[in-house]
Amino acid sequence: DVVMTQSPLSLLVSPGEPATIACRSSQSLLHSQGHNCLDWYVQKPGQSPQLLIYLASNRASGVPDRFSGSGSGTDFTLKISRVEAEDVGVYYCMQGLQMPVTFGAGTKVEIK
Amino acid sequence: EVQLVESGGALVQPGGSLRLSCVTSGFTFTKYWMHWVRQAPGKGLVWLSRIRIDGAFTNDADFVKGRFTMSRDNAKNTVYLQMNSLRAEDTAVYYCARETEVGGANIDYWGKGTLVTVSS
Repeated sequence: DVVMTQSPLSLLVSPGEPATIACRSSQSLLHSQGHNCLDWYVQKPGQSPQLLIYLASNRASGVPDRFSGSGSGTDFTLKISRVEAEDVGVYYCMQGLQMPVTFGAGTKVEIK
Repeated sequence: EVQLVESGGALVQPGGSLRLSCVTSGFTFTKYWMHWVRQAPGKGLVWLSRIRIDGAFTNDADFVKGRFTMSRDNAKNTVYLQMNSLRAEDTAVYYCARETEVGGANIDYWGKGTLVTVSS
């Protein structure tokens, strides 16, 4: 199975400050069609996960542009340029290239 | 608007069975693979199964093979998860999710989930 390793597992960030979450996969997530099968989700308190970034670097519909994703192969990053109070939640990376689909352990983002 | 609405979660005794349903709307169901993912209380997301558009093929996590079976009814825009021989460790919120049209087996929409509690 592809192991997804996220870091850090928790982040305490002041409003307006940036935040960066890393996700490393044990195998390359580069699809034969040239894209990386890596998504980022946020699960806000009491809610189901929602898609933030798909194929490593594409913002999902309605996602603020303070969120960005980058990376290729085995190393990926989610950046929040200026954290807002509404960004509190647990952030997960997920790979869909190989079965079984696997998730990172999650990064809990809290506001100072 | 894409909607995925799970139901069927309940309190069930160890060794019991349960069938979860996920009714979908707002998109052409027959164009998408579908998934089930679960989340134990206070824990992370764990993928369970995905089903092909025609319902004739599934991928399953090793730990559910032989116990859980995913199926779909394209006439009802609904996917199911039949769960047998339930154990305490199956206690979780179970999410239905839609696979993206592009990429690999990635997910774009999630339901709100249904809670399964396995306890005597």
